[in-house]
Amino acid sequence: AQSVTQLGSHVSVSEGALVLLRCNYSSSVPPYLFWYVQYPNQGLQLLLKYTTGATLVKGINGFEAEFKKSETSFHLTKPSAHMSDAAEYFCAVTGTGNQFYFGTGTSLTVIP
Amino acid sequence: GAVVSQHPSWVICKSGTSVKIECRSLDFQATTMFWYRQFPKQSLMLMATSNEGSKATYEQGVEKDKFLINHASLTLSTLTVTSAHPEDSSFYICSASKGGLTTEAFFGQGTRLTVV
Repeated sequence: AQSVTQLGSHVSVSEGALVLLRCNYSSSVPPYLFWYVQYPNQGLQLLLKYTTGATLVKGINGFEAEFKKSETSFHLTKPSAHMSDAAEYFCAVTGTGNQFYFGTGTSLTVIP
Repeated sequence: GAVVSQHPSWVICKSGTSVKIECRSLDFQATTMFWYRQFPKQSLMLMATSNEGSKATYEQGVEKDKFLINHASLTLSTLTVTSAHPEDSSFYICSASKGGLTTEAFFGQGTRLTVV
């Protein structure tokens, strides 16, 4: 079985500050991990993903995430927040058959 | 990249009526499609997995007779909400997978259903 836990349903950062969104996973098989962003009333946009290989993955819009197997974590970071980063962020893990299991989401607010 | 299109983007229907939502993979063949439901301020919950040419597999607690899923071709899956009620109002999102060893699913833009 697969599941994802996102700590912190709301995160606020100042513009230019570090963004850190936390994600821990549980998986009975080697996980494939994803971060998606969702803007209001829109679908999901893939930010980045980890499948195999390098544990530090870089995505779009300056985001990156590091897969840490020992900590079962896949936290999302961005060195400097921008106003346009304000959105809902979802961490997800794939189960068998490519269905995705999502975390409860983290709403990111960027304060000018 | 792969594109998945949902139609309609917004729909309002009366209680007791049925509404059909389409999910199309525009530039690839999707052997598997997934349907999710998202309540306001909540995460996406997987409703069912749809494989082309076979019956959908529903997640526990999802009424298969209420949420009819058809995956008649490799590029189209439909979700029909039958006898809709206000509590069915939600945001429905589909995703499509190329199957095999692919590790990515591609998401539609979602459908906002409001039942009045």
